[in-house]
Amino acid sequence: DADVTQTPRNRITKTGKRIMLECSQTKGHDRMYWYRQDPGLGLRLIYYSFDVKDINKGEISDGYSVSRQAQAKFSLSLESAIPNQTALYFCATTHRTSGGSNEQFFGPGTRLTVL
Amino acid sequence: DAKTTQPPSMDCAEGRAANLPCNHSTISGNEYVYWYRQIHSQGPQYIIHGLKNNETNEMASLIITEDRKSSTLILPHATLRDTAVYYCIVRVGNAGNNRKLIWGLGTSLAVNP
Repeated sequence: DADVTQTPRNRITKTGKRIMLECSQTKGHDRMYWYRQDPGLGLRLIYYSFDVKDINKGEISDGYSVSRQAQAKFSLSLESAIPNQTALYFCATTHRTSGGSNEQFFGPGTRLTVL
Repeated sequence: DAKTTQPPSMDCAEGRAANLPCNHSTISGNEYVYWYRQIHSQGPQYIIHGLKNNETNEMASLIITEDRKSSTLILPHATLRDTAVYYCIVRVGNAGNNRKLIWGLGTSLAVNP
């Protein structure tokens, strides 16, 4: 079984709809992240959480919100989806270390299309 | 903004070493260099990271110049399964909530038979 799972894997929705993307992890990590990826580009950080109830904005948080009610789950919501939020969304996890390692483990991605 | 510059694409013959360059001339003294790769549109996969010493693991080697302004990822014997987009990333921020990975555009590596 995958350590980091995302649901749904694909979603097509209409402008103005509220959408929630879910991420779950079985790695026991405390830190979780949401990224989006647009075609031909690298990943951009939307939100991240270092512990339950800890929420931090990333580079592009406008139009998104998140919830971290349990260590293993981190959900991303689009309150009112718009077409330019069409993208590939990735969840990632990592564990706090005192050393240099910050290896992030990624989920398989959710492809979201907003019409 | 990304702190790294990479060539957009490279080719490599199967079985040969693939050397992927990265420029990070504005890197600060406490910022690590990370490499990830992404096959098709799958989730990115961690490869290796380093601060100033050269590093090697079972996947690759990382060579960082003495001035830390550039680095090279080396895949010693590339296979067709190494065809992917390779991202050179700088980890910014100090310990705590400021620590983040800043992703660039990556290099699309094609390993040819």
